[in-house]
Parts: sequence; structure tokens; C-alpha cells
Amino acid sequence: DIQMTQSPSTLSASVGDRVTITCRASQSISSWLAWYQQKPGKAPNLLIYKASSLESGVPSRFSGSGSGTEFTLTISSLQPDDFATYYCQQYNTYSGTFGQGTKLEIK
Amino acid sequence: EVQLVQSGAEVKKPGESLKISCKGSGYSFTNYWIGWVRQMPGKGLEWMAIIYPGDSDTRYSPSFQGQVTISADKSISTAYLQWSSLKASDTAMYYCARLPIAQGAFDIWGQGTMVTVSS
Repeated sequence: DIQMTQSPSTLSASVGDRVTITCRASQSISSWLAWYQQKPGKAPNLLIYKASSLESGVPSRFSGSGSGTEFTLTISSLQPDDFATYYCQQYNTYSGTFGQGTKLEIK
Repeated sequence: EVQLVQSGAEVKKPGESLKISCKGSGYSFTNYWIGWVRQMPGKGLEWMAIIYPGDSDTRYSPSFQGQVTISADKSISTAYLQWSSLKASDTAMYYCARLPIAQGAFDIWGQGTMVTVSS
């Protein structure tokens, strides 16, 4: 199995901050990396797919980058609605794994 | 509107069987893979398995192979996740989600089905 490691596990930030979350894969996954946002009691919501493609309807303050084994999700200017847990997910030949999650908290 | 609607919460005893469902609408159900994702209380997301309703091709994550069975009935646009003998450790929220293979990501999610296994 390909393992996905996110960092940090918890991130405290303020409205208006620029934040970056990192996801590392245990082996190369090319650009097969997605990012999700999950709020308490809700299903996850797709933000980014194929490392850097913004899902329709997602605000442009969200962006993704990277390839191979190292990837980042950046939120350019935090809004109150962005405080949530974020997960990365790799896809490899009909299988996938998620990172352990990053909880973004209000400072 | 493209949506996946899951069956309601379940409370079961250890050793009992269970089958939960996920009904798709607003798109061609047979042309997209459907996946199942587990989230144990207070924990992260786990990829369980995927199925292609067009031909019922199934792929299981090694951690879930033999523990659950997924299936689909394309005539009613519904996918299923089932257990033959539940354990307390199966207590979790289970999500179904649509997987466009060209994206490699789940773009549409069901609302989740909470399964509680307790004696």
C-alpha cells in the first residue's frame, strides 16, 4: 500500500492568513493526488484533483501543487468558512489511500 | 442534480448481518465507479473498496478484503456494502462516493450511513 503522510496534524491560523498543508507519498504517484475539506458531521468535499486542478465551484483561494511524492495545498487568504479538517488522497490503479488529516483551527 | 442518497442509520448487535445502500441519480450510474469510505468515530477517512456498476468489477483495499462485500444493481442505480457478521469495531460512518477514474478523486459524496454495533 502507498502511505500518505500529512503535516502538520493541527494548524492554528487567523482569518486572512496564507496557509500551506503538505502531503507526502511513500512512493511516486505522479499527479494522482486529491484534496478534500471536511466539516464536523458532514461528508468530505472535493477541492483539488490531479494535484492542481480546481474542482468546479471551489473558491480560487484554494490551490494545489506538486508531483511525484510531495504535494501542497495552499489557501491564499483564510476565510471563516475554511476552518475544517483537510485530507489528501492518492489514487493508484483502482486503489487509493487517504492521509491522516490536518485540522485547521482558529488562532 | 447529481446526487448519491444513502440508507439510514443502523444499530446492530455483534454477529448480525447488514447491507446498506447508496442510490445514484442525475447521471449515468453505470459509467462511473462508486467507492465506499469508512470513518471511525473521531478518526480519518479510509478507502475501503470500489465497484463499477456497468459490469460489477470490484476492487478492495487489502485492509478490507474479506471483511465486507460490495455489490451493485444497475437496474435501480444502487450500490451496496454488506457485512455477514458485524463486530463492535465496525462501528463507523460509511460514505459512498462517485469516482471519475480520469480524476482519481471522489467528486460526489453520499450523506453517510452511521452503523453502530453494540451488544
